[in-house]
Amino acid sequence: DTAVSQTPKYLVTQMGNDKSIKCEQNLGHDTMYWYKQDSKKFLKIMFSYNNKELIINETVPNRFSPKSPDKAHLNLHINSLELGDSAVYFCASSHSGGSGGGELFFGEGSRLTVL
Amino acid sequence: KNQVEQSPQSLIILEGKNCTLQCNYTVSPFSNLRWYKQDTGRGPVSLTIMTFSENTKSNGRYTATLDADTKQSSLHITASQLSDSASYICVVILYGNNRLAFGKGNQVVVIP
Repeated sequence: DTAVSQTPKYLVTQMGNDKSIKCEQNLGHDTMYWYKQDSKKFLKIMFSYNNKELIINETVPNRFSPKSPDKAHLNLHINSLELGDSAVYFCASSHSGGSGGGELFFGEGSRLTVL
Repeated sequence: KNQVEQSPQSLIILEGKNCTLQCNYTVSPFSNLRWYKQDTGRGPVSLTIMTFSENTKSNGRYTATLDADTKQSSLHITASQLSDSASYICVVILYGNNRLAFGKGNQVVVIP
């Protein structure tokens, strides 16, 4: 009964490959996010979707393409992987609206290592 | 310059002792301020959420305080346990667009 689940948890791949990370939430939230956490543990927003619509795109290279088939899923596809893409990617979800937005629930993270 | 600065960057404390983590922010106006706990290899988990009008919020042995005038927040851990070893992240939510500004976290290690 995991609230926000993402797969795979670990991903090791060669430079230049294309890979995807999947995320699903069963909390009934209308907003989903992708965050990148680098080696210095700093969390940075990449994308945010509300009801399948892209609402935040934080100048991420266009090699990264999020896809939201429905409100409960937000997948991240990365083309032509580079060494600098190595990081932990976190999916999160929340209810939108209200002052300050809803509480953010994070997945367990997907550690991507590019060799 | 980051909008949310946390100190100390890392901290080692003995089990059973108390500690206080600091968060200074420049975000204004803001809707609320949150503290998250991130265990190694796990996703962040919410500890406290305070609106701009609240001064303190507790969650078990964790107590967060907020001084909106000085733009400072603190997280106090009472009677620390080994399971408190984690990174504690301060997050400020901007008023209006609900964008989140993250601190880099305070890394706490509790030793027996």
